[in-house]
Amino acid sequence: DGGITQSPKYLFRKEGQNVTLSCEQNLNHDAMYWYRQDPGQGLRLIYYSQIVNDFQKGDIAEGYSVSREKKESFPLTVTSAQKNPTAFYLCASGGGSSYNEQFFGPGTRLTVL
Amino acid sequence: AQSVAQPEDQVNVAEGNPLTVKCTYSVSGNPYLFWYVQYPNRGLQFLLKYITGDNLVKGSYGFEAEFNKSQTSFHLKKPSALVSDSALYFCAVRDAGTGGFKTIFGAGTRLFVKA
Repeated sequence: DGGITQSPKYLFRKEGQNVTLSCEQNLNHDAMYWYRQDPGQGLRLIYYSQIVNDFQKGDIAEGYSVSREKKESFPLTVTSAQKNPTAFYLCASGGGSSYNEQFFGPGTRLTVL
Repeated sequence: AQSVAQPEDQVNVAEGNPLTVKCTYSVSGNPYLFWYVQYPNRGLQFLLKYITGDNLVKGSYGFEAEFNKSQTSFHLKKPSALVSDSALYFCAVRDAGTGGFKTIFGAGTRLFVKA
């Protein structure tokens, strides 16, 4: 089956620790995205990548980092510099044109203890 | 800069009645507009999009949306609501003029359809 997988589904982290969220797609999509979802604030763009080995900051990139070494993978690292990391994180992918819609993964819920 | 406004946090409608979920946008150039739906504890699903051409766009599950350039709106509509339509709906915009992939989402509107 084609789609986007995110792992883990739930993640718990102690304050001061970095953690990496996985996102993999087998849709052969060029573009990939990371969003953060908080109640009442909708989805906010963290990072996006239009092509392998290239990515751009979104509106709330501070405290996060990404890499795009393979077309299929776009991992997100939440660093200890992110002041309020507890949230629901959604990964998406889309075709290589800006009018293409996005396909979303099931999400990872991160809780900082 | 791009922005999206969904002025209603929640919309309540009775089953069988028409529904409208409102969205207004702001971009410097022409917009690409999208609607997505999120069911509880799940990722988002694409419903429909406007790129160019006919202002009335039809999408999945009987939904449609009307692009109004003068009012900078892209309201989501359905002629007859179902209880199963109850979900969180998001409007999103990209600036077609820049050709970029940056996508801005609205805060979302929760739709409740009562039987």
